[in-house]
Amino acid sequence: NAGVTQTPKFQVLKTGQSMTLQCAQDMNHNSMYWYRQDPGMGLRLIYYSASEGTTDKGEVPNGYNVSRLNKREFSLRLESAAPSQTSVYFCASGVTGRGNTIYFGEGSWLTVV
Amino acid sequence: SQQGEEDPQALSIQEGENATMNCSYKTSINNLQWYRQNSGRGLVHLILIRSNEREKHSGRLRVTLDTSKKSSSLLITASRAADTASYFCATALIIDDYKLSFGAGTTVTVRA
Repeated sequence: NAGVTQTPKFQVLKTGQSMTLQCAQDMNHNSMYWYRQDPGMGLRLIYYSASEGTTDKGEVPNGYNVSRLNKREFSLRLESAAPSQTSVYFCASGVTGRGNTIYFGEGSWLTVV
Repeated sequence: SQQGEEDPQALSIQEGENATMNCSYKTSINNLQWYRQNSGRGLVHLILIRSNEREKHSGRLRVTLDTSKKSSSLLITASRAADTASYFCATALIIDDYKLSFGAGTTVTVRA
């Protein structure tokens, strides 16, 4: 059982380049999330998708776009990468509703130079 | 600003000792959860406590919740080297419990 799978694991980008982080879950979860983790800041929610076909902004959405491709997949796109987007990105999924425990992927380390 | 804040930021204990960390939050919650993150890995769910519960146990973990003080504590008893990790509290708000808001975490080091 793979759980939540993120790709790529590591990526170095130049300022202004674009890229897409891919995420897929095999737990038949309705909700999916993208967080970023920076030292001393904990995890901050970028975007989430409560169910297939819906997406909503989180705490720090600027500079990012998302696509809920189907129930399994939720991608995060950086259109024009900036050094401030250097971070570790985590995708997560969970069952929509109250008491929403979420399950995380292993993270994607992104460096923008 | 973040909903939850953990205290202390870092904790170093001897193997076999207990580790206690606290979480304070700002607005009314549906539930509060604790997660663990080993270095270089994703977060793993440990325990969930609902707003109408005061205490919950899971193995060597004990979580308390005081909604009047907007605070929670996580106690790890008889710590082991494998408990070395960062621990995060996460809150699900009543008004929007689809989203979890995480604190900055407590880094626990268990010395052999």
